[in-house]
Amino acid sequence: EVQLVQSGAEVKKPGESLKISCKGSGYSFTTYWIGWVRQMPGKGLEWMGSIYPGDSDIRYSPSFQGQVTISADKSISTAYLHWSSLKASDTAIYYCARALTTVITGSDFWGQGTLVTVSS
Amino acid sequence: DIQMTQSPPSLSASVGDRVTITCRASQSISSYLNWYQQKVGKAPKLLIFAASSLQSGVPSRFSGSESGTDFTLTISSLQPEDFATYYCQQSYSLPLTFGGGTRVEIK
Repeated sequence: EVQLVQSGAEVKKPGESLKISCKGSGYSFTTYWIGWVRQMPGKGLEWMGSIYPGDSDIRYSPSFQGQVTISADKSISTAYLHWSSLKASDTAIYYCARALTTVITGSDFWGQGTLVTVSS
Repeated sequence: DIQMTQSPPSLSASVGDRVTITCRASQSISSYLNWYQQKVGKAPKLLIFAASSLQSGVPSRFSGSESGTDFTLTISSLQPEDFATYYCQQSYSLPLTFGGGTRVEIK
């Protein structure tokens, strides 16, 4: 069974750093793109970027380029989303999702989401 | 970026109704259009990919169609478990972009 299991909810202060994770199982982790999607409170879905764990090829949305860092450790089948300095506007639920085929495709399996709250 | 415009933003319907949701792309995206269902507090679920292909395990009452840059998700007979928010997404070019969502509520 394909599963993406994300790390737990986080409460942070502005300016702090954070790395959340997404562990894949039940499939070949290195041969599917993993994307990250933001959902701000009461709002819609926004694609942030994706990584191909096989060779760490990364594509970012221009809206998120420079704001976050996407990485992966294929030895433990885990993808990451990292902030070096959080802002209150980063408060959102973040989902990881496996791409159907290439980076430019729909996502067939999703993690449960990680709620990140940034507040002073 | 390709803009995806969904309509209506919300609708009220009864169990058994036929429901149609529309998504318009700001430019040609061929058939690179996906539909998702999201229930409150849950992750999105892929329903339709490539405009009209039903994802495995999704009930056949869901269907997708296209006409130029207009795409339609149809629920042939609305069931209680279908009350949710629906999103379209283009996968023609990066950045991937979603429509604003359509909330389907109980009448």
